[in-house]
Amino acid sequence: EPEVTQTPSHQVTQMGQEVILRCVPISNHLYFYWYRQILGQKVEFLVSFYNNEISEKSEIFDDQFSVERPDGSNFTLKIRSTKLEDSAMYFCASSSVSVVQPQHFGDGTRLSIL
Amino acid sequence: AQTVTQSQPEMSVQEAETVTLSCTYDTSESDYYLFWYKQPPSRQMILVIRQEAYKQQNATENRFSVNFQKAAKSFSLKISDSQLGDAAMYFCAYRRMEYGNKLVFGAGTILRVKS
Repeated sequence: EPEVTQTPSHQVTQMGQEVILRCVPISNHLYFYWYRQILGQKVEFLVSFYNNEISEKSEIFDDQFSVERPDGSNFTLKIRSTKLEDSAMYFCASSSVSVVQPQHFGDGTRLSIL
Repeated sequence: AQTVTQSQPEMSVQEAETVTLSCTYDTSESDYYLFWYKQPPSRQMILVIRQEAYKQQNATENRFSVNFQKAAKSFSLKISDSQLGDAAMYFCAYRRMEYGNKLVFGAGTILRVKS
C-alpha cells in the first residue's frame, strides 16, 4: 500500500537555526498537510496546500514557517529561526481529490530544539 | 469553529474485554466526517475507523465499531475482544465535508490493556 514518507525521523537543531522537514506524499494525492504534536498534547493543524499554494493555515503557522513543493514529489516545511517551543513531532499527511478519502499520515519527524 | 472533546484522559481494559472511548464534538455543519486514529508508542498515526455523518448506519471494522449519535454530537469507539496491541493513544477527529479540509483532533485517550 502506498505510504507517506517523512525524513528525517529525528532532527536535533540549535535554537535560532533553520530547519527543513521533508515529506513525500502518496503519488496521486493532490492535497498536502502539516500537523504538529507537542509531547503529551493533541495533534494540531498547521497548514494545508493545494495546487501549489496554501489553502488554509492556522494561527500557529506564522512568518517563521513556510511550505514548498519544490518538485513533483517532495513537500517541505521550513522553520526559519527555530525556538525551543518548536520542539514537537511534525506529521505530514496527504489526501486524494476524492472528498470521501481520508488523510494518510507519515510516521512523523521528531524535532528537538536545543 | 469546530471542536472535539475527549473527556477520558485514560482508560484501562482487561485483555479480551470490551472498552468504549467517548468523543463529543461541536459543529454547525450538517455533513462532515468523523474519525478515530490510533497512535501507538511509535507515534505513527493510524486510521482505525471513519464515519460519514450522512450515513445512519454505524461504521464497523473488525473488532472496532462506533456509536454515532448525530443529534447528540457523540461519536464513541467500542473495541471488542481487546488485545495487548490495542494499547495506544486514541484520537477522535472531525473533518468538514469539503475538499482538502483539515482534521480537528480531540485531546486523546490513553488506552491501557492489562493481561
